[in-house]
Amino acid sequence: GAGVSQSPRYKVAKRGQDVALRCDPISGHVSLFWYQQALGQGPEFLTYFQNEAQLDKSGLPSDRFFAERPEGSVSTLKIQRTQQEDSAVYLCASSLASRQPQHFGDGTRLSIL
Amino acid sequence: GQNIDQPTEMTATEGAIVQINCTYQTSGFNGLFWYQQHAGEAPTFLSYNVLDGLEEKGRFSSFLSRSKGYSYLLLKELQMKDSASYLCASGGGADGLTFGKGTHLIIQP
Repeated sequence: GAGVSQSPRYKVAKRGQDVALRCDPISGHVSLFWYQQALGQGPEFLTYFQNEAQLDKSGLPSDRFFAERPEGSVSTLKIQRTQQEDSAVYLCASSLASRQPQHFGDGTRLSIL
Repeated sequence: GQNIDQPTEMTATEGAIVQINCTYQTSGFNGLFWYQQHAGEAPTFLSYNVLDGLEEKGRFSSFLSRSKGYSYLLLKELQMKDSASYLCASGGGADGLTFGKGTHLIIQP
């Protein structure tokens, strides 16, 4: 597709369940980013990939959060043993190269009950 | 560390001009970005400044002063569809962006 695609668009899970969020970046984009956005706030950086290499994961809130991009294209953000405070919109962005403008997907709205 | 400040909310009139200010403090600097975000939608890229001065792009312009840690987004000939949140973001030493909390712009007829 022409833009960044994320799925699912909405996800509801019970506390304690594991979830997996998918991101399809724009074709040919080397850099991929994950952000977390709480209601009424700006996005907060979680992690960054350059091709398949995870170069920065300093923003991941805990070791329950794990991201991968094994073939340098599609990326998955996994959250284990979800907690209510994980409820947020998770945004994926990609860019042609590092420090170029990032293009965002519509996000996955995660609700933990 | 990095800190981005911008007003929480602004109101303007259709057809008028509005300026949204942003101040930043970052360790390392790789440019200042502005994004527009409508409720429930993805942020969309508006502008990027890495050098001091004004960048004009149609109805939108963005200004940067690195020595003052200051930027603004100027929107001219406001339209109702410009009602959205406007996010200021700094590209710091790392490659992820640091965003402000966003300015919610309300356009009144």
